[in-house]
Amino acid sequence: QKEVEQNSGPLSVPEGAIASLNCTYSDRGSQSFFWYRQYSGKSPELIMFIYSNGDKEDGRFTAQLNKASQYVSLLIRDSQPSDSATYLCAVNPSMEYGNKLVFGAGTILRVKS
Amino acid sequence: DTAVSQTPKYLVTQMGNDKSIKCEQNLGHDTMYWYKQDSKKFLKIMFSYNNKELIINETVPNRFSPKSPDKAHLNLHINSLELGDSAVYFCASSHQGNGNQPQHFGDGTRLSIL
Repeated sequence: QKEVEQNSGPLSVPEGAIASLNCTYSDRGSQSFFWYRQYSGKSPELIMFIYSNGDKEDGRFTAQLNKASQYVSLLIRDSQPSDSATYLCAVNPSMEYGNKLVFGAGTILRVKS
Repeated sequence: DTAVSQTPKYLVTQMGNDKSIKCEQNLGHDTMYWYKQDSKKFLKIMFSYNNKELIINETVPNRFSPKSPDKAHLNLHINSLELGDSAVYFCASSHQGNGNQPQHFGDGTRLSIL
């Protein structure tokens, strides 16, 4: 069973702080990792993807990948109330699965103004 | 100029009925997907088509039948609806790749079974 695990939260941070969202995965052969944001009642929206170990930055967002520890994280700097949403971690288990994505259950983030 | 569009947005029907959901994408992608998000918000893949060919078929009851008339369209027909089918169904699309292509989601169809 290919699993992706996230802390369901809610994670509460004050406005302007750094929010750190974490995700672990079970399949060591996993190659591709995605972070989606989902507002209540809306569809998942792609925020970032990462394939290589290390950090990848895009504006206020940084994705971090550590394949040895089977761990991927998303940092949100200068958190804003509009960042309040559920953040979904998605993993492609390995190439044999084609484009299949396995999603975690999501972490609820609340940014307090 | 919607990228991935689904119809209808809401579907309320009675147990035992048959219903269809339609999906279209104008992103030029060749792979399309159906996902189910249950009441606990867990998002799980059901089917995937690449250029009209079924490539992913998860353990979904055979009451669910996807059809892809062309690579820009993927429809989902559900027979004999059951209470447990109540969920949000999302269509998504991407370029073909080896799992490294981001998927883009439609707005979802909220299915409620009475």
